[in-house]
Amino acid sequence: QVQLVESGGGVVQPGRSLKLSCAASGFTFRTYGMHWVRQAPDKGLEWVAGIWFDGSNQKYADSVKGRFTISRDNSNNRVLLQLDSLRGDDTAIYYCARDRCISHGDCSFDLWGQGTLVTVSS
Amino acid sequence: DIQMTQSPSTLSASVGDRVTITCRASQSISSWLAWYQQKPGKAPKVLIYKASTLESGVPSRFSGSGSGTEFTLTISSLQPDDFATYFCQYYSSYLWTFGQGTKVEIK
Repeated sequence: QVQLVESGGGVVQPGRSLKLSCAASGFTFRTYGMHWVRQAPDKGLEWVAGIWFDGSNQKYADSVKGRFTISRDNSNNRVLLQLDSLRGDDTAIYYCARDRCISHGDCSFDLWGQGTLVTVSS
Repeated sequence: DIQMTQSPSTLSASVGDRVTITCRASQSISSWLAWYQQKPGKAPKVLIYKASTLESGVPSRFSGSGSGTEFTLTISSLQPDDFATYFCQYYSSYLWTFGQGTKVEIK
């Protein structure tokens, strides 16, 4: 079954860290770029970070640059997001998504996970 | 950075109505635009990519048009399953940006 499953969310105090994981299955993971997108409560979608299919490049939104780190393990079909120096405005559902830049020459997101909730609160 | 402005933010419509949502880019983005549908408690789902290409399995009542800075998503005859929130997304230069979203409500 082609799917993405996120885990690692929870309640964390401001200034602390959290690591999110996204497990991929049912497709050739190493040929897809992967991303994290977040959605604050009752707000819109915000692209957070992306990583190339081979892990050779990473990009970040300005709002998280220097605090969040995206990485991937192509041997175990996982993409990770390390969240450091967390703030209240980082509270959101975090979705994992794949792009199809390599397979389709189009970089829209065609597969999403169900999301994991991160709440930053003292 | 390129900004995406989506309008309207909320739209009230009835079943059978023709609905149009607009997304404007702060500078030309060629045709690198996608449209997503999101229902409450669910992940987004891609409807249209490359501005006008219908994603496989998406009903043909959905269509996209435009290039450069102005884009539209049209639902030709609104169905009960279409009441949801719609987002545009620009993707190019290794950055991805979403519009603010349009909530389509029952009139």
